[in-house]
Amino acid sequence: GAGVSQSPSNKVTEKGKDVELRCDPISGHTALYWYRQSLGQGLEFLIYFQGNSAPDKSGLPSDRFSAERTGGSVSTLTIQRTQQEDSAVYLCASSPPNSGANVLTFGAGSRLTVL
Amino acid sequence: AQSVTQLDSQVPVFEEAPVELRCNYSSSVSVYLFWYVQYPNQGLQLLLKYLSGSTLVKGINGFEAEFNKSQTSFHLRKPSVHISDTAEYFCAVSERGSYIPTFGRGTSLIVHP
Repeated sequence: GAGVSQSPSNKVTEKGKDVELRCDPISGHTALYWYRQSLGQGLEFLIYFQGNSAPDKSGLPSDRFSAERTGGSVSTLTIQRTQQEDSAVYLCASSPPNSGANVLTFGAGSRLTVL
Repeated sequence: AQSVTQLDSQVPVFEEAPVELRCNYSSSVSVYLFWYVQYPNQGLQLLLKYLSGSTLVKGINGFEAEFNKSQTSFHLRKPSVHISDTAEYFCAVSERGSYIPTFGRGTSLIVHP
């Protein structure tokens, strides 16, 4: 596609429910990132995928968070048993292969509100 | 480990005035540096980047930044701002050999008429 596509754009859920956020990166981009943007907190790294390599999960805040990337393309971020502190905008970004310095192209984000 | 500090959370300025948004980083190795802009309800987009070479980098929309290794800074400047420059600006650093940029907390630029 022309850009990084994320869905849903907005999600309101009740505390304790599970949510799935989807990211469709730019075609041909092998690197995919998830960041979380909370008010006044900047961007917090969550997870990084590169091709078929094992993902870097070092930024996931708890075991309630997981992500997968199928076929080296679409990625899904899953948050189980959501808590109010999970409310944030979840940003997905992708980057082309062999770019050296990874310049990221971001999607518009998925805004999650946990009531 | 790499880190980024954006010294100002909010910068108000009048239209056509110059502006500087400050960014300092910390790293023990060589780095790549970036500025991204986020307009309301949109994702981040790249303004400019420093990879190597000339320390003065020019980006889109008339913005430029200067890499100062001795001061570990990468401040963003524009000689004359427009109302449309009102947005959130993020500085980011990526150590050479790392593929995960670290972002600052952002600076909200507010341009008044």
